[in-house]
Amino acid sequence: AQSVTQLGSHVSVSEGALVLLRCNYSSSVPPYLFWYVQYPNQGLQLLLKYTTGATLVKGINGFEAEFKKSETSFHLTKPSAHMSDAAEYFCAVSAANTGNQFYFGTGTSLTVIP
Amino acid sequence: KAGVTQTPRYLIKTRGQQVTLSCSPISGHRSVSWYQQTPGQGLQFLFEYFSETQRNKGNFPGRFSGRQFSNSRSEMNVSTLELGDSALYLCASSSGQTVGYEQYFGPGTRLTVT
Repeated sequence: AQSVTQLGSHVSVSEGALVLLRCNYSSSVPPYLFWYVQYPNQGLQLLLKYTTGATLVKGINGFEAEFKKSETSFHLTKPSAHMSDAAEYFCAVSAANTGNQFYFGTGTSLTVIP
Repeated sequence: KAGVTQTPRYLIKTRGQQVTLSCSPISGHRSVSWYQQTPGQGLQFLFEYFSETQRNKGNFPGRFSGRQFSNSRSEMNVSTLELGDSALYLCASSSGQTVGYEQYFGPGTRLTVT
């Protein structure tokens, strides 16, 4: 089975500063990796995904993530934080050997300080 | 395209009652997954249906059940409600036909058990 660890349940950054949210995964087969964002009282919205090919993936709202197989990581970054980025972020993994069931991390709450 | 819709959005039930939640996937999507989200446990996978068949199942008791109709709409039922069933229940749809597909989430149903 797969699993995901998100380091840091709460992250605070100043507006305009770099956003870095950490995600490490465990998978015995090639993983498919996803980042989702959740705003209060809403469902999850897909930010970006990695399946195959280019390891640097660009998503919506200026976010990007890099798949590093050697480090089993898929960290989410954004060069300059905006107030509207304040939300809960979830990393997820799936793989063909588990019927593409999604395994989510416990989430990271991002606070942006003006 | 319309997104994933879930009804009702909010629900209050009493211990011992049963409840049925509904999910309408994105048009053309044949896979529907259900998740339970709580502050303590995060996002936990309940089950996935694809073309009216349960394809994956998480580690939840038999009180949690689901089904999918020929139009891909899905329902989730919880019988003999317990206080611990209070949660946000999220439904997600996807094409489900190829590996690495992303899931699109609905806004959720907030269930409160008193």
